[in-house]
Amino acid sequence: GAGVSQSPSNKVTEKGKDVELRCDPISGHTALYWYRQRLGQGLEFLIYFQGNSAPDKSGLPSDRFSAERTGESVSTLTIQRTQQEDSAVYLCASSLIGGGGYNEQFFGPGTRLTVL
Amino acid sequence: QKEVEQNSGPLSVPEGAIASLNCTYSDRGSQSFFWYRQYSGKSPELIMSIYSNGDKEDGRFTAQLNKASQYVSLLIRDSQPSDSATYLCAVRQGGSEKLVFGKGMKLTVNP
Repeated sequence: GAGVSQSPSNKVTEKGKDVELRCDPISGHTALYWYRQRLGQGLEFLIYFQGNSAPDKSGLPSDRFSAERTGESVSTLTIQRTQQEDSAVYLCASSLIGGGGYNEQFFGPGTRLTVL
Repeated sequence: QKEVEQNSGPLSVPEGAIASLNCTYSDRGSQSFFWYRQYSGKSPELIMSIYSNGDKEDGRFTAQLNKASQYVSLLIRDSQPSDSATYLCAVRQGGSEKLVFGKGMKLTVNP
């Protein structure tokens, strides 16, 4: 079946602009996650959705970052007033079980964000 | 102390050899443990998950978990050049759904 999809695959923006990144999880997956991977670094957790609620937003680096999810479907990560340090690959993952269980997370291809 | 630590590497092995990748974690309440493979410029791909002490085998891959010592390892038997990638260890800590990742170990398998 179809995996996690993300759009756009690449985004170049100017400092100070707002950007929206989109994630379509695997059909039927109730949990959705956003991570960030800076060049040469490990993955950093940003936010987790169970359905359309976000029980864990602890990884959002500042109030310029926000995310929402429609039902158990699409999620949008919004970064306002982008800064150069926001440049990274933004990865979305989904899993079948979010409230316990094994929680195997499957990643999308990512969105590479470059802030000039 | 970092939450999930991997040897920085890189690790280079000849084709056909066994590659051994190690990971330690700090949270004793951690529930689930995962190994992801990440090719350059690509997103992480789940290759193994393990939840109980002991070994779990899947083809050429074996994951080993020792909760008392707080380490998890990945063995790749009969290494192939196509196994050349960065391997990420990830841990789901107790009471949390997020994964905490190590920085990754770059593996090169030489033909």
